[in-house]
Amino acid sequence: EVQLVQSGAEVRKPGESLNLSCKASGYSFSNDWIGWARQMPGKGLEWMGTIYLGDSSVTYSPSFQGQVTISVDKSITTAYMQWRSLGASDTATYFCARGAEALIRGLPYYYFDYWGQGTQVTVSS
Amino acid sequence: DIQMTQSPSSLSASVGDRVTITCRASQSVRNYINWYQKKPGHAPNLLIYAASSLQSGVPSRFSGSGSGTDFTLTISSLQPEDVATYYCQQGYSSPLFSFGPGTTVDIK
Repeated sequence: EVQLVQSGAEVRKPGESLNLSCKASGYSFSNDWIGWARQMPGKGLEWMGTIYLGDSSVTYSPSFQGQVTISVDKSITTAYMQWRSLGASDTATYFCARGAEALIRGLPYYYFDYWGQGTQVTVSS
Repeated sequence: DIQMTQSPSSLSASVGDRVTITCRASQSVRNYINWYQKKPGHAPNLLIYAASSLQSGVPSRFSGSGSGTDFTLTISSLQPEDVATYYCQQGYSSPLFSFGPGTTVDIK
């Protein structure tokens, strides 16, 4: 059974660092993608970035470029989202998701079929 | 960047009604559109990929259509458990994805 298990809720002060984890199991953690999404309180989903497990390359959405760092440790099938200096606007729930590929008429289509349970992050002084 | 819009932003319908949600892309995304259902306190749930392919395990009352810039998600007969917010996501510029702003569906 495919599972993505995220680390627990966090409370931090502005300026502090934070590392969230997303542990994957039940599938071959090799040439897939892991994506991260944010949902701020009362707001919609925002795509933050995607890491390709084949070469650990990362593509960030423009709004999040330079704000967070996405990484992976394939030896323990775990992806990470890191902040060096949190701000109050980072208060949100963060989700990781497994990227999957379907070949339709010879063309690849990508989507996210399994999601972590979400990690709630609160940043407050 | 590809911008996504959705309409309406919210709707209220009766059980058994046919519900249609529209998603529009700022440029052609061919049929690289996914649809997700999001309930409060839960992770997003994939409904449709490649604009019209039903994800395994998703009830057949959900369907998707469209290509280019205009897409629709249809719930053929609204059920109480369908109360949620629905998001389209473009994958044309993958690995850079983006969501629409969401459409909230509730029961009248």
